[in-house]
Order: sequence, then C-alpha cells, then structure tokens
Amino acid sequence: GENVEQHPSTLSVQEGDSAVIKCTYSDSASNYFPWYKQELGKRPQLIIDIRSNVGEKKDQRIAVTLNKTAKHFSLHITETQPEDSAVYFCAAPVNTGFQKLVFGTGTRLLVSP
Amino acid sequence: DSGVTQTPKHLITATGQRVTLRCSPRSGDLSVYWYQQSLDQGLQFLIQYYNGEERAKGNILERFSAQQFPDLHSELNLSSLELGDSALYFCASSVGSGPHNEQFFGPGTRLTVL
Repeated sequence: GENVEQHPSTLSVQEGDSAVIKCTYSDSASNYFPWYKQELGKRPQLIIDIRSNVGEKKDQRIAVTLNKTAKHFSLHITETQPEDSAVYFCAAPVNTGFQKLVFGTGTRLLVSP
Repeated sequence: DSGVTQTPKHLITATGQRVTLRCSPRSGDLSVYWYQQSLDQGLQFLIQYYNGEERAKGNILERFSAQQFPDLHSELNLSSLELGDSALYFCASSVGSGPHNEQFFGPGTRLTVL
C-alpha cells in the first residue's frame, strides 16, 4: 500500500523526559526517511532525515533509527523542552509508477513544564 | 523564512467558485509540490511539477488542476469549490525531482469556503 503509519497520534511528556515517535512503511525499496516538525500555525520544516545505508543518525537532542528488515523508523527526542511542542510528521518514498513522498498522519507532542 | 512564497495568505470564497493559489519556489529549485492540510489532518500530497512538467500525482481531485510556468512559479486552480475544500494549502520546493530531496515549505494559503 501507499500508507505510512505513524504512532502515537498524540504524546504528552514532562519537560526533561524523552519522547519516541514510530513510523512504519510498506515499500521495501524506500531509501530515504525524513522527519518534519510543524509548530502551531507555521510551515513544516525538516529536522532530521536518514538514508537506508545507516541505522541511526543523531543531531544534538534528536535522533532517528531505522530498521529496514522490519520496515520501521523512529524519532527520539531526549531532554524535551516546551519548545519541542509541535506536530511531527514522518515520511517515506512510495513508488506507484512514479516516486512520491508520503507523509504519516502526524504526532502532536506536548511538553509540559 | 524558507525562501518559498505563497499568495494569497488568506482566501475566503463561496461554494461553487473558482480560486487560484500561487507559489514561487526557492531560487534554484526546479520542483514544486502542492499539499492540502485540513484541520487537524496530515499533509495530503496533491501534485508535483519538475521544470515545467507534471512529475507525480497524489490524491488530487478532478476539480483541481495545477501548472508550472517557465519561470518555475506554480499555480493551483481549485474550481466548483465545496465546503470540504476549506483547508491550508502548502506549496513546497526542492532542487531535484526525487523524493529524497529536502522539501522547503511555503507559509501556506488558508482557504475558507463558505
């Protein structure tokens, strides 16, 4: 199928806790997995991405892990801060005769002080 | 600021009408993508153009059409508007045509159909 499944749909954590968002994809040929952050009333922005030749990538407090065998990838945010509150979207390429990027349904993360 | 511009910022119109949304990509980007985001919904991919030609198609209704002009700006035309078409419409651009290129999103056009 074309779907990219994303869980959970909402996530509430206390400041300083870790947050994990998971996505699964269906196209085994997919080789690029970006994560976008959309703050309230703003545009989505790329925060991190991973390509299929690596299993993990880190950038300060955020990291993404990829399990190609299981066809899932996850976003990890450590030491969460209130400014991390936003909607996070994962995405993966899907080939339906042409390649297109399909976005997950989004996870609303709320970090409480 | 991503470098992608969209006009207008807000649009209020009535059912049955037709509107045109405009997008200018970042300098140097050849791909333009259109997305629809309804209230509390995800990003629904509509269509992609690359260097003037249609590249990929998503869940775009027949009442909707788009094009990319020689100067690479793009327009999304929505006709016979229905209440359910009310949404935030984002344009994004990227350098290349493939899905592995980072997409830079514009600020969006909020369409309200009354």
